Amino acid sequence: DADVTQTPRNRITKTGKRIMLECSQTKGHDRMYWYRQDPGLGLRLIYYSFDVKDINKGEISDGYSVSRQAQAKFSLSLESAIPNQTALYFCATSGGAPSYEQYFGPGTRLTVT
Amino acid sequence: GESVGLHLPTLSVQEGDNSIINCAYSNSASDYFIWYKQESGKGPQFIIDIRSNMDKRQGQRVTVLLNKTVKHLSLQIAATQPGDSAVYFCAENAGGTSYGKLTFGQGTILTVHP
Repeated sequence: DADVTQTPRNRITKTGKRIMLECSQTKGHDRMYWYRQDPGLGLRLIYYSFDVKDINKGEISDGYSVSRQAQAKFSLSLESAIPNQTALYFCATSGGAPSYEQYFGPGTRLTVT
Repeated sequence: GESVGLHLPTLSVQEGDNSIINCAYSNSASDYFIWYKQESGKGPQFIIDIRSNMDKRQGQRVTVLLNKTVKHLSLQIAATQPGDSAVYFCAENAGGTSYGKLTFGQGTILTVHP
């Protein structure tokens, strides 16, 4: 089984709808991250959490919210989806020092029409 | 602001050649660098990392070089294979209050021709 899973893998929704993307990990890591990937722009950090009680905004948090339900679960919500939120979304997890390596999920392709 | 960028967005090589993918970073406080490979339809996968107290690190067919003087990072892939075709990202960690966070570059598309 994959260490980091994301659901759904693909989603098409309409402008104004609320959407939740879910992420689960079995690596036992405290740290979890949500990224957005757009063509030619690499990965941009939306939100990150270093433990269950810690939530931090990344560089592009506007229009998004997150919930860290447990050490293993970190969900991303779009309260009112808009077309420019159409992108590929990745969840990642890391164990912290001494390694900064992040382990990524397979991604969720979201299309907002 | 802090950023990590790539000199070349695309790289095309012949199978068996060596590939070099470059990355420039702007934050002199960055103390950790990492290369990821992303194949089509998949999430990024770790290739190799290097800390700022090193200037070279080798893995299996890959070598990362770090030049802190000019804030430059490179990934060398020896005897490139078609399976190496992917997008390659460099990323940095700035430490301090940014500890644990990675800032990613735009990515380089590597295409290996048989």
